[in-house]
Amino acid sequence: DAGVTQSPTHLIKTRGQQVTLRCSPKSGHDTVSWYQQALGQGPQFIFQYYEEEERQRGNFPDRFSGHQFPNYSSELNVNALLLGDSALYLCASSLFTGQSSYNSPLHFGNGTRLTVT
Amino acid sequence: TQLLEQSPQFLSIQEGENLTVYCNSSSVFSSLQWYRQEPGEGPVLLVTVVTGGEVKKLKRLTFQFGDARKDSSLHITAAQPGDTGLYLCAGAVNFNKFYFGSGTKLNVKP
Repeated sequence: DAGVTQSPTHLIKTRGQQVTLRCSPKSGHDTVSWYQQALGQGPQFIFQYYEEEERQRGNFPDRFSGHQFPNYSSELNVNALLLGDSALYLCASSLFTGQSSYNSPLHFGNGTRLTVT
Repeated sequence: TQLLEQSPQFLSIQEGENLTVYCNSSSVFSSLQWYRQEPGEGPVLLVTVVTGGEVKKLKRLTFQFGDARKDSSLHITAAQPGDTGLYLCAGAVNFNKFYFGSGTKLNVKP
């Protein structure tokens, strides 16, 4: 049973460039959430996708966008990269169970380490 | 500004000692989860607490959810080097949107 897989594992980009990160959720999961984790900090919620739509969003600018595909996999796109975007980007999958979804565990991938120079 | 404040930020103890990590907020959460993260890996869920006042035990780890569902604690008895890692609490708002604390970095020395 494959867990959450993310690609690539590491990425180096230059300021102003654009980047796309990919995530395949755990088998049986239908919801994908993206988090940014700066060094020494806890993960910060970027947004969440369910049924191919962005359902919830954290306090991140429009430069951060995403997509979910019919097979539940997801992409995170960041445009006009800034030095401050350097971080570990984590994808977490879960199963949407309606009102009781707060009880659903998040299953994380090992992340993509993005460095912006 | 962090919605969840964790303390202490760093903890370095000897094997066999006990410790408590705190997670506090002024907000009420539907549930609170604790995760452990090791270098180069994503966080791994340890426990979910849902009811105010709830206490859950996982071997040497004891988790408690505050009566008002605003705070939580994690107590480790007789810590071992394998407990070393970053401990994160996460509170749920709006279904499964989770806010994470900044973490407690624990180092258990043999």
